[in-house]
Amino acid sequence: IAGITQAPTSQILAAGRRMTLRCTQDMRHNAMYWYRQDLGLGLRLIHYSNTAGTTGKGEVPDGYSVSRANTDDFPLTLASAVPSQTSVYFCASSPFAGNNEQFFGPGTRLTVL
Amino acid sequence: RKEVEQDPGPFNVPEGATVAFNCTYSNSASQSFFWYRQDCRKEPKLLMSVYSSGNEDGRFTAQLNRASQYISLLIRDSKLSDSATYLCVVNDYKYIFGTGTRLKVLA
Repeated sequence: IAGITQAPTSQILAAGRRMTLRCTQDMRHNAMYWYRQDLGLGLRLIHYSNTAGTTGKGEVPDGYSVSRANTDDFPLTLASAVPSQTSVYFCASSPFAGNNEQFFGPGTRLTVL
Repeated sequence: RKEVEQDPGPFNVPEGATVAFNCTYSNSASQSFFWYRQDCRKEPKLLMSVYSSGNEDGRFTAQLNRASQYISLLIRDSKLSDSATYLCVVNDYKYIFGTGTRLKVLA
């Protein structure tokens, strides 16, 4: 693995289903982030984690949960998907929280029907 | 007023042209700023950080104007490969993204 990987690349999901988007980084970065990108709205922060074992809410956290059991993995779970969660989801990481460059994964394209 | 605003474009320019984008931000206490490039359906990638004194990287120049609360990106001698969306980012301990400015460089 080099950098950040996300899985799946894309997914079509029925409304009401549970879905976990996976994110793994091998850069030993402390901070990790989940964003969603929607046309005309730019990237918006869903949840973040400044270090393993801690998480925090971003701008649009409702309907999503995260965990950070170790440094490398930061999964995002949709407990009961709704059509408004159709979006492109990007995971990112940075060496530390704060004023560091963030590195982005390739994204997951999610469609909820 | 939005926290970070960009002209969505598109800016259509011929190869070899010079093009500039501005991005305004609302929080006068913002400390760090970045320009990211995003190709269609791909992840954003850091183009350059924006320093108070301005900085240059090859054909790209970034500047910060704190008094007027905007940052700018200047691209000289545009290449076809510069066609992309350019995202302005203001870092207030969390990243705040602009919606992006789309650039098309035409042959």
